[in-house]
Amino acid sequence: DTAVSQTPKYLVTQMGNDKSIKCEQNLGHDTMYWYKQDSKKFLKIMFSYNNKELIINETVPNRFSPKSPDKAHLNLHINSLELGDSAVYFCASSQEVMRAVNTEAFFGQGTRLTVV
Amino acid sequence: AQKVTQAQTEISVVEKEDVTLDCVYETRDTTYYLFWYKQPPSGELVFLIRRNSFDEQNEISGRYSWNFQKSTSSFNFTITASQVVDSAVYFCALSPYNNNDMRFGAGTRLTVKP
Repeated sequence: DTAVSQTPKYLVTQMGNDKSIKCEQNLGHDTMYWYKQDSKKFLKIMFSYNNKELIINETVPNRFSPKSPDKAHLNLHINSLELGDSAVYFCASSQEVMRAVNTEAFFGQGTRLTVV
Repeated sequence: AQKVTQAQTEISVVEKEDVTLDCVYETRDTTYYLFWYKQPPSGELVFLIRRNSFDEQNEISGRYSWNFQKSTSSFNFTITASQVVDSAVYFCALSPYNNNDMRFGAGTRLTVKP
């Protein structure tokens, strides 16, 4: 069983379209994240949700909207896609720090988004 | 504010050489976690190690070893007798103890040539 799974793995779409990337974790973790990895491999946090509540929201265009229907899911919706949105997006999850000694983030395999 | 600096953008070594990847961090927190992740060419992120800020013992796992020095805010990673399969981008990351705001360095691309 994959601990953190995100779909699709590849996504090619035209500018202006709206798309979603889904993420699910079966680890029972309280916290989920979205990271963006640009062409230079730099990993930047976008959002973090803890128990379905937004706790970190970096400077991200409001075209990006995370949706957490439950603790195990954190989907990323992107409206009006732009060329600069092309990147690899990683979903991750971790146990909430204060309640777990062993903390690490488990990552999905990434979604390569290409906007043409 | 937190910051992780991996000054080495790219490193190239020949197989069997030892190589050290540097990681320097900044944080105002007194307790925190440090991590190393590996990203092979296939793209996934693979967890390597987590270290608590209150545990400065160095760690060795096979050919991998980590040197944590709180006095210099560094958490360096050494691969001994490198192999071609070690070729990857390696990320150092920092997370405060009281929240899950994990921040990554820019990564170091390691190429091990046969």
